Amino acid sequence: TQLLEQSPQFLSIQEGENLTVYCNSSSVFSSLQWYRQEPGEGPVLLVTVVTGGEVKKLKRLTFQFGDARKDSSLHITAAQPGDTGLYLCAGVGDNFNKFYFGSGTKLNVKP
Amino acid sequence: DSGVTQTPKHLITATGQRVTLRCSPRSGDLSVYWYQQSLDQGLQFLIQYYNGEERAKGNILERFSAQQFPDLHSELNLSSLELGDSALYFCASSAGALGRIDTQYFGPGTRLTVL
Repeated sequence: TQLLEQSPQFLSIQEGENLTVYCNSSSVFSSLQWYRQEPGEGPVLLVTVVTGGEVKKLKRLTFQFGDARKDSSLHITAAQPGDTGLYLCAGVGDNFNKFYFGSGTKLNVKP
Repeated sequence: DSGVTQTPKHLITATGQRVTLRCSPRSGDLSVYWYQQSLDQGLQFLIQYYNGEERAKGNILERFSAQQFPDLHSELNLSSLELGDSALYFCASSAGALGRIDTQYFGPGTRLTVL
């Protein structure tokens, strides 16, 4: 069983649409990270959120960490085909050494 | 290119066999992590090494073992292989600083197929 549940598992949208991906857990994490993984490659870190309620923006991507530090969301505005990939959230344990990954959201943005 | 190298890229073997996966971290990184990624279970943390010592252990089976050598490269040994061990195995490296969150840089992975 996954400690972190991501939803939706799959998302197929048209270019220009907005979308939100959710990452939920019953556990509290010291911080939470979001990664993007393309086929045949390893995950690449997008952002780390540390404080409950924190919001970080990375161009068209907005990341939010829940107040209780148990959940997070990733919102993409005006999605582009280059956003296509597997989005993974990872909860970081108290000792900063263990990383608990969600099962991922596979996003396909059609031109 | 993350700077982390993994070999081999693909590995096909039979049940009951033993294989070794190799990882070279980014220059200057002291910490190495191993992960297993399968279709139905996402990315699972296996184990972490820091400067040659085991630092954290995740869901690593007893049939699996790892080590980090003085030159900081790491090897993951998988023995008595089963069909369910077929997966992508990723190595990641980081500076490994204590008490703060590190950025992990992932290698391209080794795809293991057990027939």
